[in-house]
Amino acid sequence: GNSVTQMEGPVTLSEEAFLTINCTYTATGYPSLFWYVQYPGEGLQLLLKATKADDKGSNKGFEATYRKETTSFHLEKGSVQVSDSAVYFCALNMDSSYKLIFGSGTRLLVRP
Amino acid sequence: NAGVTQTPKFQVLKTGQSMTLQCAQDMNHNSMYWYRQDPGMGLRLIYYSASEGTTDKGEVPNGYNVSRLNKREFSLRLESAAPSQTSVYFCASSGGTGFNEKLFFGSGTQLSVL
Repeated sequence: GNSVTQMEGPVTLSEEAFLTINCTYTATGYPSLFWYVQYPGEGLQLLLKATKADDKGSNKGFEATYRKETTSFHLEKGSVQVSDSAVYFCALNMDSSYKLIFGSGTRLLVRP
Repeated sequence: NAGVTQTPKFQVLKTGQSMTLQCAQDMNHNSMYWYRQDPGMGLRLIYYSASEGTTDKGEVPNGYNVSRLNKREFSLRLESAAPSQTSVYFCASSGGTGFNEKLFFGSGTQLSVL
């Protein structure tokens, strides 16, 4: 079946460091891919998306490129801030069904 | 701007007790969802309602029932709680016709079943 695999956390970085959070997927077909972010004590919110191969989603300094050849959608940011500390979830959707499939989440902790 | 409101925020139940989690959204969204979040497993879809008057099963519907009371409200009921249902529950909604991947989530209900 369709699934999403994320790197285990927590990821601990110093402020202004470069961030990569790995995400790979398994899908029968060509899914749309998403990153959601969950700040402490809150629900998830959509961070960025890509709907076809080679698309790059971007928002708030975060980027992710849809790589069909490696079935990956890694999240990157050039310079993280303390306020980026959160849990990041990679997700996929097939054929605009009502079912978003989430990865297990990666906790990011940014130290001043 | 309330968005998606869930009640209660915390709940402790004994095995076999029943309860209903309430969810309301004020964004005039057509679609609503219930997810559970467990450590190491991400979020899993329990039930969803594509539009008022319809409900469908997600990945893990066993032990739950839902009611789409009106366009604003979507409740989740545990008829006979089990320890395996200890989790954090999130309600979400999305707008438009058809699936919209921009889900708006509530802040969650932390449920413990003893």
